[in-house]
Amino acid sequence: GENVEQHPSTLSVQEGDSAVIKCTYSDSASNYFPWYKQELGKRPQLIIDIRSNVGEKKDQRIAVTLNKTAKHFSLHITETQPEDSAVYFCAAPMDTGRRALTFGSGTRLQVQP
Amino acid sequence: DTGVSQDPRHKITKRGQNVTFRCDPISEHNRLYWYRQTLGQGPEFLTYFQNEAQLEKSRLLSDRFSAERPKGSFSTLEIQRTEQGDSAMYLCASSSGTSGYNEQFFGPGTRLTVL
Repeated sequence: GENVEQHPSTLSVQEGDSAVIKCTYSDSASNYFPWYKQELGKRPQLIIDIRSNVGEKKDQRIAVTLNKTAKHFSLHITETQPEDSAVYFCAAPMDTGRRALTFGSGTRLQVQP
Repeated sequence: DTGVSQDPRHKITKRGQNVTFRCDPISEHNRLYWYRQTLGQGPEFLTYFQNEAQLEKSRLLSDRFSAERPKGSFSTLEIQRTEQGDSAMYLCASSSGTSGYNEQFFGPGTRLTVL
């Protein structure tokens, strides 16, 4: 089954700086990589996802890059704002063809005003 | 609110008791997932339904856990003979589609505390 490792576990940045969170995965056949944001006491919400047929995807201040050869994908947040403070989780399919996701252990992002 | 709903939001029970949680997915979603989340960790997959069929189960799902989705709409998750280690947030998610991957929408969760 898939193994997803996420780094760093905590990240503190100044408002306006960029933040980068990286995940590695083990199954070379994995083809779907979502990122979820979970604010304190709230449910996880999808912020961006990427499929294995593209190397990068952007949505305003958020981007995700995928390196299939190295089996890692990264979340990039530019011009960070205090409301970006949350826990971010990466995920990948548990096994080839399965619908269930394996989640990383999370990164707590703190944006200092 | 047309999102995923879960009931109850909180449940406190004594060790050894049985508990049942309910999840109502987004109405047009045919896929439904149960996850468990403990403090400081990501969600851990428990089980997955496509319509009324339970297609995937995690090895984490011991024989004390059972889930149903009888009419392909709402789902229930039952834990029998609860243990302190069952204390966690139980999250339900739903998505649409018959192939590939689509966004999973999560519910607010049911927080279980086993005393």
